[in-house]
Amino acid sequence: GAVVSQHPSRVICKSGTSVKIECRSLDFQATTMFWYRQFPKKSLMLMATSNEGSKATYEQGVEKDKFLINHASLTLSTLTVTSAHPEDSSFYICSAPPGGSNQPQHFGDGTRLSIL
Amino acid sequence: SQQGEEDPQALSIQEGENATMNCSYKTSINNLQWYRQNSGRGLVHLILIRSNEREKHSGRLRVTLDTSKKSSSLLITASRAADTASYFCATGAGTASKLTFGTGTRLQVTL
Repeated sequence: GAVVSQHPSRVICKSGTSVKIECRSLDFQATTMFWYRQFPKKSLMLMATSNEGSKATYEQGVEKDKFLINHASLTLSTLTVTSAHPEDSSFYICSAPPGGSNQPQHFGDGTRLSIL
Repeated sequence: SQQGEEDPQALSIQEGENATMNCSYKTSINNLQWYRQNSGRGLVHLILIRSNEREKHSGRLRVTLDTSKKSSSLLITASRAADTASYFCATGAGTASKLTFGTGTRLQVTL
């Protein structure tokens, strides 16, 4: 079945560091990918829609300059948390819909980001 | 985004019992999906039900959709300890694939 790979699974770093998270579709092409943020025991909040070859679409309240998204190929989207601070600590998850719009999405295993 | 509500927030049952989770949403939808999340992991798709469908089955899972009440339910029959996880409903609308997730139900199945 369709697989989405997310890397790294865990990051621990100092405040002020920029962290890059990769999301790859392994056996299908994804013109669109989604990035979510999840706080402990809470639901997923959509941060942005990553569009291959064009700018990402950010949800209201999400800082574009803090969370940089690049979708340079049909199989890779990256989320960079710039100058991360402790309040950016969270679980970040990406997803992609192999079957196109209004179809099930496949999720990466998430990245646990801890900023000290 | 108008996030949906799920109830109960937490559910604890014994193995063999049935588990029912409910989801309510606020806007018109094209489809409603249920996902499962094991602790600290990504989500796994369970079932997708379209707005013109009322019921769908997959193995031990049964999903209903009532668009007039803007609600859905997920029934897991003959639960197993391995069903322990968080369950989320998510709604899709329009032509995009963007999903709006519910608040989730944490299911604990004990032996």
